[in-house]
Amino acid sequence: DTAVSQTPKYLVTQMGNDKSIKCEQNLGHDTMYWYKQDSKKFLKIMFSYNNKELIINETVPNRFSPKSPDKAHLNLHINSLELGDSAVYFCASSQIGVGGGTQYFGPGTRLTVL
Amino acid sequence: GESVGLHLPTLSVQEGDNSIINCAYSNSASDYFIWYKQESGKGPQFIIDIRSNMDKRQGQRVTVLLNKTVKHLSLQIAATQPGDSAVYFCAENSGYSTLTFGKGTMLLVSP
Repeated sequence: DTAVSQTPKYLVTQMGNDKSIKCEQNLGHDTMYWYKQDSKKFLKIMFSYNNKELIINETVPNRFSPKSPDKAHLNLHINSLELGDSAVYFCASSQIGVGGGTQYFGPGTRLTVL
Repeated sequence: GESVGLHLPTLSVQEGDNSIINCAYSNSASDYFIWYKQESGKGPQFIIDIRSNMDKRQGQRVTVLLNKTVKHLSLQIAATQPGDSAVYFCAENSGYSTLTFGKGTMLLVSP
């Protein structure tokens, strides 16, 4: 009965590799997000998709490419991983127009780039 | 008491005390505010929200106060329990589906 799920929970990889993180929500929401949380716990929005369309793209390197095959899924692919990409990545979802925009978060994926 | 350390501001309280966590927001046009709780190793979890046409909202053991004049939000937790230990974030809805998060406050509850 998990609302927002992410896989994998932990990801350890070498610099220069390409990796993907998957996210799924079963809340029937129309909007999904990716956030990056740094070592100081600061949460920063990266992307937002509404009904599979990109609506927010913050200043994120183009090595990061989100893909939304349907409105229940938003995956994050990262090319040529760098040390500074190490962080916890959270997926979230919300229903626009309902509840003022309350977002529900997944459990996070801790990415460590060596 | 409350202190600003090298990383997150930290509030240390004894079990059973009331806790008050403060947040200053930036956008006077924001019309919706949310408090989230993040436990270690987990994602942020919704606690309580408030719209800008209200100045107080109560939940179970939690109260959120909104002062739009000084752009200040607070979260009050009554009878704090060890399970309340976590990082607390305020977030403001600053347009369309965008939430802007504050820096977070770590609450440490000792038995």
